[in-house]
Amino acid sequence: RKEVEQDPGPFNVPEGATVAFNCTYSNSASQSFFWYRQDCRKEPKLLMSVYSSGNEDGRFTAQLNRASQYISLLIRDSKLSDSATYLCVVRASGYALNFGKGTSLLVTP
Amino acid sequence: NAGVTQTPKFQVLKTGQSMTLQCAQDMNHEYMSWYRQDPGMGLRLIHYSVGAGITDQGEVPNGYNVSRSTTEDFPLRLLSAAPSQTSVYFCASSYSGSDEQFFGPGTRLTVL
Repeated sequence: RKEVEQDPGPFNVPEGATVAFNCTYSNSASQSFFWYRQDCRKEPKLLMSVYSSGNEDGRFTAQLNRASQYISLLIRDSKLSDSATYLCVVRASGYALNFGKGTSLLVTP
Repeated sequence: NAGVTQTPKFQVLKTGQSMTLQCAQDMNHEYMSWYRQDPGMGLRLIHYSVGAGITDQGEVPNGYNVSRSTTEDFPLRLLSAAPSQTSVYFCASSYSGSDEQFFGPGTRLTVL
C-alpha cells in the first residue's frame, strides 16, 4: 500500500467553482504535510504547508486531521491558472518526502 | 540566483550505456536529493545527501550512484542504463531546517 494516497482525478471544474482534494497517509508517525503544485512538464513547487490547526493562503485552504490521517486542499473561486496537478506530500521522519501520485485539475472557461 | 539547475534537459541512451545527470544549486543548501517521476507512480526518492561527503539511499537506489564532493553539486550516475530507467529525473535541494524543497527543471531520459 502506498504511503500517500490521492484521487487522481481529473477534476474538471468551471471558472469560479470551489473544488476540494483529499489525501490519506498510512504512517501515523508522519510529522510534516504539504501540498505541492506541478504544471504540465514542469517541476513541482511548494504550494503550502499544512498545519494541525488548518491554514489559509488566499483562495487556498488546507486542513489536517491527524486522527483520521487525512489531508485536504480547498480551492475557492477557481481560476484558469489553477489548472495543474496537485501533489500531497508527507514527511515521516528525517529528510525523505513521500509524494502522492497527484490529483489533476482542469479549470475551464 | 539560478536556483537548481539540471543538465541535460533531454537524453536518449541505449541499453548498457552509462551517463551522468548533473545537478547544481547556488543557494548554499545543505540537503540535495534525486527523484524519478513515472506515469502513475508519483515521485520516488533515489538518493539524497545531507551535506558534502554524505549520501544515503532512498526508496529506489538500484542502478544509480551519487557523490557529493561539494555543497553545490550532486551528480547522479547511471552505471548501465536499462529501459526501466526511462523516466523524468528531478533534483531538489533545501536548507537543513526547512521543509520546502526546491526542484530543478528535470531531465527527461529515454533508454532504448
